[in-house]
Amino acid sequence: DAGITQSPRHKVTETGTPVTLRCHQTENHRYMYWYRQDPGHGLRLIHYSYGVKDTDKGEVSDGYSVSRSKTEDFLLTLESATSSQTSVYFCAISESRGKDTQYFGPGTRLTVL
Amino acid sequence: KNQVEQSPQSLIILEGKNCTLQCNYTVSPFSNLRWYKQDTGRGPVSLTIMTFSENTKSNGRYTATLDADTKQSSLHITASQLSDSASYICVVTSNSGNTPLVFGKGTRLSVIA
Repeated sequence: DAGITQSPRHKVTETGTPVTLRCHQTENHRYMYWYRQDPGHGLRLIHYSYGVKDTDKGEVSDGYSVSRSKTEDFLLTLESATSSQTSVYFCAISESRGKDTQYFGPGTRLTVL
Repeated sequence: KNQVEQSPQSLIILEGKNCTLQCNYTVSPFSNLRWYKQDTGRGPVSLTIMTFSENTKSNGRYTATLDADTKQSSLHITASQLSDSASYICVVTSNSGNTPLVFGKGTRLSVIA
């Protein structure tokens, strides 16, 4: 998985609790992304980062926040988890925006009860 | 609206047979098109990438074609193997916009013995 790890790999939580997912890369790529994947939908971009402390919203950013304090780590936080956020979350990295291939992590399966 | 449509949604074929997956897109301006393979429980992995000027690109038993005039691409799998069972995702990159990557919903391929 191209030097990308995600933690945890599985998580079950209750509605209203905060949740943080971590993505760690060893490739020193500038761009990092968080996607969610749900049945009947393609991968949808939540947030992305183009450098340390530089982030921007994707198409489904409501209810999510991100932080990137180091090149290698990109955190996704659900401030107050809802059942609609039950999904599989993928982190991806790339050297540049758009042109280069994105490499995906193994995913985190999140269930919000 | 930028969209990527894939067909069929799912496909079952016998081991050793060939198959072709389709991707139609309305993304503009076009930069490149990628095919990803996603095994169950894993992140997507890039198979091929094609730019505007490329018509065909092969990666082993996988051959992708692109017709930029009709905005269509296909992924042909030759002599299928059980390990080809996966989802195949078409991703089109635009040269502009906040979310330059547009993902199709994927085709679920099952190869049976």
